[in-house]
Amino acid sequence: EAGVTQFPSHSVIEKGQTVTLRCDPISGHDNLYWYRRVMGKEIKFLLHFVKESKQDESGMPNNRFLAERTGGTYSTLKVQPAELEDSGVYFCASSQSRGAGYTFGSGTRLTVV
Amino acid sequence: QKEVEQDPGPLSVPEGAIVSLNCTYSNSAFQYFMWYRQYSRKGPELLMYTYSSGNKEDGRFTAQVDKSSKYISLFIRDSQPSDSATYLCAMSPLNNNDMRFGAGTRLTVKP
Repeated sequence: EAGVTQFPSHSVIEKGQTVTLRCDPISGHDNLYWYRRVMGKEIKFLLHFVKESKQDESGMPNNRFLAERTGGTYSTLKVQPAELEDSGVYFCASSQSRGAGYTFGSGTRLTVV
Repeated sequence: QKEVEQDPGPLSVPEGAIVSLNCTYSNSAFQYFMWYRQYSRKGPELLMYTYSSGNKEDGRFTAQVDKSSKYISLFIRDSQPSDSATYLCAMSPLNNNDMRFGAGTRLTVKP
């Protein structure tokens, strides 16, 4: 079974630019989550999709972040415009059922300079 | 005060030692408790998953949850160099997917 795939694995962009991160969950997993870890902090929840619907986006830091999951398959997380404090590792995870442990991807390391 | 407290270490032990990793938390609504292992440049990998209080054993790993003390532990018996990684505790309320993570403890098992 293929795991959760994220790309790019690493992205370096300038402040003010736009970046789009992609996540392909495990096939058949309706639940898809985005988390991020900024330098020196804990991994924190961003949002949760059930199929194509946003179930909970309470962790999204501000309106510069836009997540989509068209068709309920892969998801994208766009940051526009990127700021220095957006640097960190963005993880995607998926699961079949709620409340269960997730399968995480390897993350996208975003550096905003 | 953070919702989940975890000593970031680093923790270094000799091969074969028993390792004890711990987290405390403040939110009494947490019902699901998980331990993840994360190798460098990889995503967290689920190790143990426990619902409510009690113990759970899986091979060399034992997870304990004491809800009365708001304290969870992960024990690793006969530790191996391959166990060297960062261990993260995570927890969430019932039917809520907003997992709260600890800072992670970096463990090194020396041969």
